[in-house]
Amino acid sequence: SQQGEEDPQALSIQEGENATMNCSYKTSINNLQWYRQNSGRGLVHLILIRSNEREKHSGRLRVTLDTSKKSSSLLITASRAADTASYFCATDRSSNTGKLIFGQGTTLQVKP
Amino acid sequence: EAGVAQSPRYKIIEKRQSVAFWCNPISGHATLYWYQQILGQGPKLLIQFQNNGVVDDSQLPKDRFSAERLKGVDSTLKIQPAKLEDSAVYLCASRSSGRGSYEQYFGPGTRLTVT
Repeated sequence: SQQGEEDPQALSIQEGENATMNCSYKTSINNLQWYRQNSGRGLVHLILIRSNEREKHSGRLRVTLDTSKKSSSLLITASRAADTASYFCATDRSSNTGKLIFGQGTTLQVKP
Repeated sequence: EAGVAQSPRYKIIEKRQSVAFWCNPISGHATLYWYQQILGQGPKLLIQFQNNGVVDDSQLPKDRFSAERLKGVDSTLKIQPAKLEDSAVYLCASRSSGRGSYEQYFGPGTRLTVT
């Protein structure tokens, strides 16, 4: 079963605006990862945040993790048309197996 | 480095037929995963291999799905017989077994349509 639930399911913004996507999960985790999927490049890893971290940055991406609320958010700043894609959070409950449970995803459209 | 390779990219079959998908992971990656992604949903893990051994196949419908990873490199996923609800994209991913390596690398997927 899918562990993660993402919100919103779809998001449409103008180029230059910020996009925020949220992910909630149900059980304790070792780490949480965000992936992007578009038709041209398949699923691509964006960023990983460990359970003992609260915030992480990578370029225009900012991820937060609140383990007490079992939630995470992905912020994309100064969005571009090329950011148009589906974004998935995936939880890793055990670093030994690396088994990922994916959420349903948020579809982001960035209008030029 | 070369990415995860999958073939074929597209396959259309009739229900009750059989089909096989092939995956070649990134060189040196010991862990290989097969996922099923139904339209509008996130990927769902079907089976995980560590080298040529199965780590997790709890969500693999074993009455019709089978997978193998001979010699711990390439892997094949088979469906026999296919059902309409098997229409999905089948993704293969691999992961390094290096310490602290949690990121999975995905192939382009095989889009299966069962009619």
